[in-house]
Formats: sequence, C-alpha cells, structure tokens
Amino acid sequence: SYELTQPPSVSVSPGQTARISCSGDALPKQSACWYQLKPGQAPILVIYKDTERPSGIPARFSASNSGTTVTLTISGVQAEDEADYYCQSTDSSGTWVFGGGTKLTVL
Amino acid sequence: QVQLVESGGGVVQPGRSLRLSCAASGFTLSNYGMHWVRQAPGKGLEWVAVIWYDGRNQYYADPVKGRFTISRDTSKNTLYLQMNSLRAEDTAVFYCARAPYVAVAGHYYYYAMDLWGQGTTVTVSS
Repeated sequence: SYELTQPPSVSVSPGQTARISCSGDALPKQSACWYQLKPGQAPILVIYKDTERPSGIPARFSASNSGTTVTLTISGVQAEDEADYYCQSTDSSGTWVFGGGTKLTVL
Repeated sequence: QVQLVESGGGVVQPGRSLRLSCAASGFTLSNYGMHWVRQAPGKGLEWVAVIWYDGRNQYYADPVKGRFTISRDTSKNTLYLQMNSLRAEDTAVFYCARAPYVAVAGHYYYYAMDLWGQGTTVTVSS
C-alpha cells in the first residue's frame, strides 16, 4: 500500500523556522495537503494543492513541492503552532492517504 | 455558522454495529464530497471512506471494506457511517470532513478536507 513518510518529531525555538517533510512516490503526480491537529480540537487544513493557503491561515505557513517530497514551512514559529502536522495525498488508484504525522515542539 | 457535528459514538462489543452521524450546517452537503477519517489512540490519522458530491460513488479503505458503509440524507443535510462487525482495532475517534472538488474534463478532483468536525469516540471492547 502507498505510504507517505514524515519525521516523527521536529523541535524549534520560538521565532525560528520549522520545516516538516513528507515523502511519497506519487507526489510528483498527486497534490498534497497539510493538516494541523491539536488535542481535543478539530483538525485544520493549513495547505492544499501543494502550496495554497486557505483563508484565515497565517502567512507564516507555506509549503513547497520538489518531486517526491513536499515540505511544510512555518516561519517565525509561535507557541500556538505546537501541534501534530499531517500530510495527505492520494495514490494512483485515488485512495486517500495520510502521512504518519509529525509532532512539532516549540521549545 | 458553517460546521460539522459528529454523534453516535460509544462503547460497543466486538461484532456489534454502530451508526455515526455528521450533521452539516451553514452549507449544503450535496455540493461537496464528504470523508470519514479516524484516529486510533496514540496513532495517526487514517482515511476511512468517501462519498462523492452526488452520492453516486463511495470508496473505502481496505481495513473497513465490506464492513462499513458511508451514506447521506440530503433532506437532513447529514452524513452517516454504518459500521458493522466491529473489531477492537476499530477503536478510534471518528471525524467527518468536507471535500471540495474541481471538475476537469469530466473528472472530479477532491483536493482537500477543508472543514472537520470535533470527532466522536468509538470504543470496541467486551
């Protein structure tokens, strides 16, 4: 089955830049999304179509696509950004897949 | 207010059934695809099922295929997940999520899950 691979954890100090990668063989052909998940809260879409930011998402959230790897970048990390982040895409058969998730810790 | 509210979770014995509901407000369900996604304790998000905007197509993840059924009632603006033959490994928080789409040359691309509910907890245990 198709897999998206993320690092389990990323740690940064406030004000620094956090980068979270997501790797998958189908990413050159299938667009990716990123979701933020905090305990007890509904997940939030922060990036769609590889690089698009929904309205209401701060400009410090951005993303890039370099073939088989997509990267979520959070510039000027704030304490409120501490959360789990998941990439999501589809495989060649159209099945939706999530990455394993990355816990972002703000030191 | 645009929101999704799940309900119907609870504790159920292995082999039994449960039906989850997802009430949509502030938008029309039939204008969007809809997903169910779950998160088992200590685990990541797992896609479960999707229904297309017109209700004509439904797709399922392999672990639930043949046991779960996604459906909707447009008159009630509500999405459902009928879960049969439940197993311990189905224990999770279940979320519904809205799926906007674009149509390109007759194909429909559901490109995001742009609105999520708070989730409802299902525990399968004897």
